[in-house]
Amino acid sequence: NAGVTQTPKFQVLKTGQSMTLQCAQDMNHNSMYWYRQDPGMGLRLIYYSASEGTTDKGEVPNGYNVSRLNKREFSLRLESAAPSQTSVYFCASSEVRGPFYEQYFGPGTRLTVT
Amino acid sequence: RKEVEQDPGPFNVPEGATVAFNCTYSNSASQSFFWYRQDCRKEPKLLMSVYSSGNEDGRFTAQLNRASQYISLLIRDSKLSDSATYLCVVNKRTGNMLTFGGGTRLMVKP
Repeated sequence: NAGVTQTPKFQVLKTGQSMTLQCAQDMNHNSMYWYRQDPGMGLRLIYYSASEGTTDKGEVPNGYNVSRLNKREFSLRLESAAPSQTSVYFCASSEVRGPFYEQYFGPGTRLTVT
Repeated sequence: RKEVEQDPGPFNVPEGATVAFNCTYSNSASQSFFWYRQDCRKEPKLLMSVYSSGNEDGRFTAQLNRASQYISLLIRDSKLSDSATYLCVVNKRTGNMLTFGGGTRLMVKP
């Protein structure tokens, strides 16, 4: 049981390049999320998917697109990378049980855009 | 104003000390509250949920004050292994979306 996995772990892009961050979970969770974490800013939600086939914008969606490929996989795409997108990206998944539920995070992708 | 605010620290304490962190949130409709722990260059992990009546898990005690819109975390008998960043987390609205504070860094020294 691997939990939430993310690839790649590290990536360096030049401004204008594109890439897709991959995320998969094996816990049969319905909901999946993409966050970015910048120093002093906490985690900010980029996009989320409440269930297979649905996606919604979070707090900072500009410059990103997502695909919920199936129940297990949720990918994040940067079409034209900018230096402002230099960050650590975390994918998470959860199953809602009452008002308290845990979000399980992947190990993160450290992205640098030069 | 940030939705969830925390003192970034760092809090430097000796082993065995008691340390407390506070967190304030701005959305009075928030329903669920959590503390997550994040080790350096690692992913966040749930430390504990915060219940209205307050709750304890070993050396950790969490309190919620809805009237003043703050949450606290108390750590007793600090261990070196408690060194980490503690994230205050609030649900944004009904459902499964969370808002994270910027974190409070704790360093426990021998």
